[in-house]
Amino acid sequence: AQSVTQLGSHVSVSEGALVLLRCNYSSSVPPYLFWYVQYPNQGLQLLLKYTSAATLVKGINGFEAEFKKSETSFHLTKPSAHMSDAAEYFCAVSDISGGSNYKLTFGKGTLLTVNP
Amino acid sequence: KAGVTQTPRYLIKTRGQQVTLSCSPISGHRSVSWYQQTPGQGLQFLFEYFSETQRNKGNFPGRFSGRQFSNSRSEMNVSTLELGDSALYLCASSPGQGSDTQYFGPGTRLTVL
Repeated sequence: AQSVTQLGSHVSVSEGALVLLRCNYSSSVPPYLFWYVQYPNQGLQLLLKYTSAATLVKGINGFEAEFKKSETSFHLTKPSAHMSDAAEYFCAVSDISGGSNYKLTFGKGTLLTVNP
Repeated sequence: KAGVTQTPRYLIKTRGQQVTLSCSPISGHRSVSWYQQTPGQGLQFLFEYFSETQRNKGNFPGRFSGRQFSNSRSEMNVSTLELGDSALYLCASSPGQGSDTQYFGPGTRLTVL
């Protein structure tokens, strides 16, 4: 079974500082990896995805993530935090064991706080 | 295109009752997945439907069921509600082939009293 570990349930940064949210996955096959963001009382919005193309993936709102197979990591970064980035972030891996790419396994989430 | 819509947005039920939640996918999408989100367990996969057939299922009891209609709209049903079923239920749609991304709706917040 696949699994996702997000290190740090809560990360706090100052506005303008680097954002680094960590994600490690476990998978027996090449995975598809995703980062989603959730604002209060809303659903999940896709930030970016990795599907075995370029290892550095650029997403929306200035976020990017790098797939490192040797480290089984897919950390999310943004050079300069903005107040509007405050939200909960989820890393997810897709499970194809059942013949479908659509069973997402999520990490526990990281709540990002941005201080003025 | 309109996004994924879920109805109702909020629901309050009592233990023992049953509930039906509805999801309308993005136009042209044939795959619909359901997830349960709770503070304790996080986001957990319930099931996925494609062209009216259940293609994948998570580890939930049989009280949780779903179906998909010919227009790709989906419903999920929870019978004999328990307090622990209180959660945000999220629906996601996808075109349904290859490495498609799932697009999520706003969710239905179910409270069981």
